[in-house]
Amino acid sequence: TQLLEQSPQFLSIQEGENLTVYCNSSSVFSSLQWYRQEPGEGPVLLVTVVTGGEVKKLKRLTFQFGDARKDSSLHITAAQPGDTGLYLCAGDQGGYNKLIFGAGTRLAVHP
Amino acid sequence: DVKVTQSSRYLVKRTGEKVFLECVQDMDHENMFWYRQDPGLGLRLIYFSYDVKMKEKGDIPEGYSVSREKKERFSLILESASTNQTSMYLCASSLYGRYSPLHFGNGTRLTVT
Repeated sequence: TQLLEQSPQFLSIQEGENLTVYCNSSSVFSSLQWYRQEPGEGPVLLVTVVTGGEVKKLKRLTFQFGDARKDSSLHITAAQPGDTGLYLCAGDQGGYNKLIFGAGTRLAVHP
Repeated sequence: DVKVTQSSRYLVKRTGEKVFLECVQDMDHENMFWYRQDPGLGLRLIYFSYDVKMKEKGDIPEGYSVSREKKERFSLILESASTNQTSMYLCASSLYGRYSPLHFGNGTRLTVT
């Protein structure tokens, strides 16, 4: 079974700080998705990366897919309280959009 | 916007009861999924379906079954609820096709006592 490990598990920072969240595996994925989940809601897709080395930006969020397609990172610049939530990475196991999820990084951004 | 609706936000059931969790999506998606979410373990796939009456086991199907009689509805059944099935259950749907995002419901928090 493929596994995705996310680090750190928890992150508590002040508004304006930068941070990076990591998603690592020993397996190769055809694509990787990042979701954010807020309390009481289901996860919502942020981005999908499909090509090794790909970098995608979403406002202050920068996503990178590793060259070997085994790992990914999410960098947030100048974090804001609205960035607070659980960040989940999910790798495509192939076929039928069957995704395997990491355990998540819980981010708290304090004003 | 895609809407995935789970019938209950909270459920409390007793050990041994048969439990039905219902999920409906309104965007004609082919794929539907049931995950459970536990702290420190992330989301784990229980079952998924890629068409009406079709189902495939996920990573943790033991103790669960599913039903998909109509395209928009996917039901998760706990045949005989046990305390280790206390969890948050998330339903999701997606189009059939690579890289299609999952659209999640808001979850059902099930407590088995």
